Amino acid sequence: RKEVEQDPGPFNVPEGATVAFNCTYSNSASQSFFWYRQDCRKEPKLLMSVYSSGNEDGRFTAQLNRASQYISLLIRDSKLSDSATYLCVVRGSGGYNKLIFGAGTRLAVHP
Amino acid sequence: EAGVAQSPRYKIIEKRQSVAFWCNPISGHATLYWYQQILGQGPKLLIQFQNNGVVDDSQLPKDRFSAERLKGVDSTLKIQPAKLEDSAVYLCATWSEGVDYTFGSGTRLTVV
Repeated sequence: RKEVEQDPGPFNVPEGATVAFNCTYSNSASQSFFWYRQDCRKEPKLLMSVYSSGNEDGRFTAQLNRASQYISLLIRDSKLSDSATYLCVVRGSGGYNKLIFGAGTRLAVHP
Repeated sequence: EAGVAQSPRYKIIEKRQSVAFWCNPISGHATLYWYQQILGQGPKLLIQFQNNGVVDDSQLPKDRFSAERLKGVDSTLKIQPAKLEDSAVYLCATWSEGVDYTFGSGTRLTVV
C-alpha cells in the first residue's frame, strides 16, 4: 500500500465550479500535512498546511481527519489559473522532516 | 533571499552513460534533499543530508546512484551507469526551522 494515496484524476471542471480532492495516508504517526501545487514542468510549491481544525485560505479549504487518516482540499469558484496538479503531502513521524508525496491529482479548469 | 539553484536544467544521455547533477542550497539551510519525480508520479525521496552527513538514503539505488554534500553546502547527485527508467526530474530541496520547504527548478533527465 502506498504511504499517501490520491485519486489521479484528471478533474475537468468549468470555471466557477467547486471541486474537492481527497487523500489518505497510511502512517498514523504522521505529524504534519500539506497540499502542494505543481504546474506543468515546474517544481512543487506549498499551497497550504492542513490542520485538524480545518483551515481556509481564500477559495481554498483544507481539512484533516486523523481518525480516518484522511485529508481533503476544496476549491470554490474555480479559476482557469487553478489548473495544475495538486499533491497531498505528509511529513513523516521520524526526525529530519522528510516529506512523503502522493502521486497528485490533476485539475483542468475550462472556460 | 536567493532560492535553491540546480544545474543543468536538462540533460539527455544514452543508457549506460554517467551523469551528475548539482544543487546549491539556500544559505544556512542545513537540511538538503534529493527527490526523483518520474512522469505522472509524486516526488520520491532519494537521499537526505543534515549538513554534510547522510541521514536517510534508504530509497537510493546505491548500485548506481551516489550523492555527496561537501562542507555542508553544495551537493551533487551522480548516476553511473544510467538506465532508461532513470528518466525523471531530479529535484533538490532545502529546509530550515521556521521556513517552508524550498525546491529548486529541477533537472530533467532523459535516458535514451
